[in-house]
Amino acid sequence: DAGITQSPRHKVTETGTPVTLRCHQTENHRYMYWYRQDPGHGLRLIHYSYGVKDTDKGEVSDGYSVSRSKTEDFLLTLESATSSQTSVYFCAIREKGAGGGIDTQYFGPGTRLTVL
Amino acid sequence: SQQGEEDPQALSIQEGENATMNCSYKTSINNLQWYRQNSGRGLVHLILIRSNEREKHSGRLRVTLDTSKKSSSLLITASRAADTASYFCATVEGGGADGLTFGKGTHLIIQP
Repeated sequence: DAGITQSPRHKVTETGTPVTLRCHQTENHRYMYWYRQDPGHGLRLIHYSYGVKDTDKGEVSDGYSVSRSKTEDFLLTLESATSSQTSVYFCAIREKGAGGGIDTQYFGPGTRLTVL
Repeated sequence: SQQGEEDPQALSIQEGENATMNCSYKTSINNLQWYRQNSGRGLVHLILIRSNEREKHSGRLRVTLDTSKKSSSLLITASRAADTASYFCATVEGGGADGLTFGKGTHLIIQP
């Protein structure tokens, strides 16, 4: 599992409330990613980070912000949750390929978020 | 936008048979990866094929890549009930720093 944990694993919240999801890794990986998974869409990239305080937007970043104040933690915040943000959220890290091989992403267990 | 599109969307076969899933993509890629997701779980990396490779094997998995057709296939031989899962292809464009682009997945059911 590449030492990735996500918290909480399940959350139910109400429309308009802020929500923060946490991704924690123990292996000092530089790159971290947040994806959401919805039926009929597969996984889509929300934001990613390429180092402490270095982040960038992905395909579906509207309504989300991220922060990375230390290497091991990557936080995803829904500033004012909407029902369209009901989804399963996955965090991933990017691990360098062995012997100059291509980097591979490894995923956390996911957070199931329901916005009522 | 979705880069990869898997085909079929769902596949049901008998245990012991081979399962073939296809993936098509739209832009030039650096590499293509296949992932498995068991129900309610995270994604597990299965195999990666570089853009300059045509075929790769790993255990019961065989992946092919045809960059001229922008397509890939994943073959699982001698399927087992434990292979029941959703399978996703994912592509890395250019430098790949900005994450993977996933298809919608093929849901594979292995009937005992």
